[in-house]
Amino acid sequence: DVKVTQSSRYLVKRTGEKVFLECVQDMDHENMFWYRQDPGLGLRLIYFSYDVKMKEKGDIPEGYSVSREKKERFSLILESASTNQTSMYLCASSRETSGPYEQYFGPGTRLTVT
Amino acid sequence: DAKTTQPPSMDCAEGRAANLPCNHSTISGNEYVYWYRQIHSQGPQYIIHGLKNNETNEMASLIITEDRKSSTLILPHATLRDTAVYYCIVIPTGANNLFFGTGTRLTVIP
Repeated sequence: DVKVTQSSRYLVKRTGEKVFLECVQDMDHENMFWYRQDPGLGLRLIYFSYDVKMKEKGDIPEGYSVSREKKERFSLILESASTNQTSMYLCASSRETSGPYEQYFGPGTRLTVT
Repeated sequence: DAKTTQPPSMDCAEGRAANLPCNHSTISGNEYVYWYRQIHSQGPQYIIHGLKNNETNEMASLIITEDRKSSTLILPHATLRDTAVYYCIVIPTGANNLFFGTGTRLTVIP
């Protein structure tokens, strides 16, 4: 069974803190993605990666960075958390052969920055 | 990108077929139709996709009209666990993004 796991379901951080969100998939997928989901704004792509050590900016990369040192792990880093980064963060993965659209999502991390 | 239009909400009796419509009248020839759903407090779940032929898998069937301007997702025997927001997405070849609109909130009623 397809499995994408995220390190935390709920997280509360203070403004200015460095925040790490971890995502692991066990399907040997080449592609991995980080989104944020906000009411009224839908799903927005932050970063994606098509291979180990490769990364591409999505629509809203400002204030975020990513790391992919191993195929199964894709980390999202908030360098200095701000209140406008309070959101639901979703990680996803997909196979190279099926293209980027048949994505499998993790359960999400609800981050609150105070 | 082709935009999609879905009804904001629908109800369906448990055990009955749920038919969820989607209009995508500006779809172009190389754009696929994808369906996802999102159960409350969970990540989105891929359901099915198609280009022009009807498709079926263990979760659902996808019926695409001949002119490709609309499609219908069919859940043949809806259960309470199918209560979710269903998103119809049209994606051009080469796009990196999944863009979810507002979707249809399906409520399965006992």
